[in-house]
Amino acid sequence: AQKITQTQPGMFVQEKEAVTLDCTYDTSDPSYGLFWYKQPSSGEMIFLIYQGSYDQQNATEGRYSLNFQKARKSANLVISASQLGDSAMYFCAMRDGSGTYKYIFGTGTRLKVLA
Amino acid sequence: DVKVTQSSRYLVKRTGEKVFLECVQDMDHENMFWYRQDPGLGLRLIYFSYDVKMKEKGDIPEGYSVSREKKERFSLILESASTNQTSMYLCASSLTDRVGSPLHFGNGTRLTVT
Repeated sequence: AQKITQTQPGMFVQEKEAVTLDCTYDTSDPSYGLFWYKQPSSGEMIFLIYQGSYDQQNATEGRYSLNFQKARKSANLVISASQLGDSAMYFCAMRDGSGTYKYIFGTGTRLKVLA
Repeated sequence: DVKVTQSSRYLVKRTGEKVFLECVQDMDHENMFWYRQDPGLGLRLIYFSYDVKMKEKGDIPEGYSVSREKKERFSLILESASTNQTSMYLCASSLTDRVGSPLHFGNGTRLTVT
């Protein structure tokens, strides 16, 4: 069965430093996609970055990068040069190729950036 | 830019009322989804639809139904609201059924059932 695990309920990081948010996943399907979303206190879910299971390189989008370790089934989000506006909930999600159309989400990590 | 619009930001209803949550997307997306979000539980899928008039149960469909009469509109219905349905409800859409197609979310409806 599909599963996404985020083990860090909350994290703090100093402004301008890098931070890694952990995500592990489980699926038996060889084709799958991994997503990270940001949810500020205002509530909207913002799509940040995507990694496909067959992608050879780690995905990057500006200050966001995804540390994809397929053998370990982990897809950690790295935010470089943290900013105060990065304070938010972050969710890891997965969709596999089993044809169920479903996306499943982890329980989220609340990140607080300190000035 | 994809726009997913949920009709209400905040809603307060009484126990036993029938509640309609409306969601409209403007990008001709095939798939639409309803999630509920509760602290410590993440997002849980209630129902989704991959085509007009087609619907599939998600992980927690009990107490809910949905309607998709037009491609752009996906409605969530609470047949008889109960206090345990107090939650944040998020509507989302995705362009295709490919694994790499991201979800695009509305701003959410915070529903309180008293």
